[in-house]
Amino acid sequence: LAKTTQPISMDSYEGQEVNITCSHNNIATNDYITWYQQFPSQGPRFIIQGYKTKVTNEVASLFIPADRKSSTLSLPRVSLSDTAVYYCLPRGSGGYNKLIFGAGTRLAVHP
Amino acid sequence: GAVVSQHPSRVICKSGTSVKIECRSLDFQATTMFWYRQFPKQSLMLMATSNEGSKATYEQGVEKDKFLINHASLTLSTLTVTSAHPEDSSFYICSPASGGETDTQYFGPGTRLTVL
Repeated sequence: LAKTTQPISMDSYEGQEVNITCSHNNIATNDYITWYQQFPSQGPRFIIQGYKTKVTNEVASLFIPADRKSSTLSLPRVSLSDTAVYYCLPRGSGGYNKLIFGAGTRLAVHP
Repeated sequence: GAVVSQHPSRVICKSGTSVKIECRSLDFQATTMFWYRQFPKQSLMLMATSNEGSKATYEQGVEKDKFLINHASLTLSTLTVTSAHPEDSSFYICSPASGGETDTQYFGPGTRLTVL
């Protein structure tokens, strides 16, 4: 499974756009890239998943360059409630989707 | 998204007792179940993987006789922490998976175990 590297922490202010980049140099050809959000004392919550180019949903956008060695989660206009830990995980396709968590990025949104 | 429940949400027990944690996938059939634990300020650590009807596969360093996993049905898996000790105090999270190529993998809300 590909190892991921993310910034340990980030700070932002309400209303700003936040971009969290994750590097996954050894991502496998068939791996998807999945991002999760976790609040204290809660299980991780799925945010977005993609394979290449750009994916957008009602919560975030995910940018994946052609070489797929990195990905960037973009959170538009963050609010205080977006303060959480964000995890980037390569996810294998097929019936055995073992997710190995890295340290994640601790995002703090300030008033 | 999929609905996953865990019971209990938190439990406090005495050292030496056993605690059972249930994980249910309420709206899909989980052919595979992953169990994680998370210590304060740390990331999730995969403990074991189980497939319905077969024995679980444990990650290195996780004692299979201490953490008993039962995955007898496609909607229910249990994790039993046997002879719990204070160092087993942690946040336990399950993640059922149906195994589809693009299926999103969801996580339970977690169970906070405190061993006195």
